[in-house]
Amino acid sequence: AQSVTQPDIHITVSEGASLELRCNYSYGATPYLFWYVQSPGQGLQLLLKYFSGDTLVQGIKGFEAEFKRSQSSFNLRKPSVHWSDAAEYFCAVGARGTDKLIFGTGTRLQVFP
Amino acid sequence: DAGVIQSPRHEVTEMGQEVTLRCKPISGHNSLFWYRQTMMRGLELLIYFNNNVPIDDSGMPEDRFSAKMPNASFSTLKIQPSEPRDSAVYFCASSKDRGRENTEAFFGQGTRLTVV
Repeated sequence: AQSVTQPDIHITVSEGASLELRCNYSYGATPYLFWYVQSPGQGLQLLLKYFSGDTLVQGIKGFEAEFKRSQSSFNLRKPSVHWSDAAEYFCAVGARGTDKLIFGTGTRLQVFP
Repeated sequence: DAGVIQSPRHEVTEMGQEVTLRCKPISGHNSLFWYRQTMMRGLELLIYFNNNVPIDDSGMPEDRFSAKMPNASFSTLKIQPSEPRDSAVYFCASSKDRGRENTEAFFGQGTRLTVV
């Protein structure tokens, strides 16, 4: 069965600094991989997704993620964080052939001015 | 499209009462998911439907929980009787294609349930 680990529960960065949120997955084949963002009191919004092809995926709001099969990772990056990026970020893995998504426990991002 | 619509947004109920959460998926989507979010357990998949049929309900915590999808535009999640440990935010999500590359789940804004 697939699973997702987000090792960092809480990350704090200064505005303008670079950001990397870690995600490791467990799945027997090449998975579908997603990053979602959740603002307080809101539902989840898709930032980006990986299905196949180029392992560097561009998303909305200036985010990108890189699929590394050898490390079973799909880390999310942003070169310069804005205060509005403060939110909770979820990595998710989906099994091919189904719609089932398994989410990690999330990483809460705090941004200081 | 208005997106996935959940009602109510907030629900406060007394222990032992029946609670019904409602979801209207995005028109044309054929998969629907119910998730529960708590501080302790994060975001858990409770059940998902494809073409109105329950495909995987292994995440439903116990018999007090039941979910139905009588048609393509409506689903309910019922808790009877409710308990304080059921307090959480319940999300409904829908997606268009089963297992295809453009599969993406769209989430509603959630129902915050408090059982006192």
